[in-house]
Amino acid sequence: QSVLTQPPSVSGAPGQRVTISCTGSSSNIGAGYDVHWYQRLPGTAPKFLISGNNNRPSGVPDRFSGSKSGTSASLAITGLQAEDEADYYCQSYDSSLSGSKVFGTGTKVTVL
Amino acid sequence: QVQLQESGPGLVKPSGTLSLTCAVHGGSISSTNWWSWVRQPPGKGLEWIGEIYHSGSANYNPSLKSRVTISVDKSKNQFSLKLSSVTAADTAVYYCARVRGPTVTTRTFDIWGQGTMVTVSS
Repeated sequence: QSVLTQPPSVSGAPGQRVTISCTGSSSNIGAGYDVHWYQRLPGTAPKFLISGNNNRPSGVPDRFSGSKSGTSASLAITGLQAEDEADYYCQSYDSSLSGSKVFGTGTKVTVL
Repeated sequence: QVQLQESGPGLVKPSGTLSLTCAVHGGSISSTNWWSWVRQPPGKGLEWIGEIYHSGSANYNPSLKSRVTISVDKSKNQFSLKLSSVTAADTAVYYCARVRGPTVTTRTFDIWGQGTMVTVSS
């Protein structure tokens, strides 16, 4: 169902930098549409993390940053902390699906 | 601070209609935002269902469009989801969310409800 592909899991030690990729196509990321990121902590609802122009809601640390190139986007977490252990989802707009909003498959970040 | 609260039956029979409501607290549903439904089946990713503006204008996921109706009740400051002809594949946690941003391609789901689990079973 998902048109945006993410790795199922990534892991890192506290303090390390991890990146999560989000691969799409020419009808979404490759068309230049913004890619946004969401964090879902265990047992909670998703939380808006960072927008396509790297705007973060109040309270989201600047350890989180986003980037985009071609048909892919990435979320980087620097200085990984135990509280960052969560599921992360990318989201964009797809012009081939009647203007649908599409989510990535999700990535579980584990702090070793 | 805007808060969203989903409500509705947690169990729906196969072939029946799933009905959920999202109450908007701390803000007006008539603001310049869209209001959306997103679901997450057990062990799977997030799926956008559709969205509505306070004018009643709505957009739906093409894969669900034939079965989905989203409506708004400005007098009660809430919006609702109806999904017909449900099957076990519709079992999921259903979230309502506020959609905010200047254009359709830049909008984000910036505020989420806590989610409600709906199981389709006889």
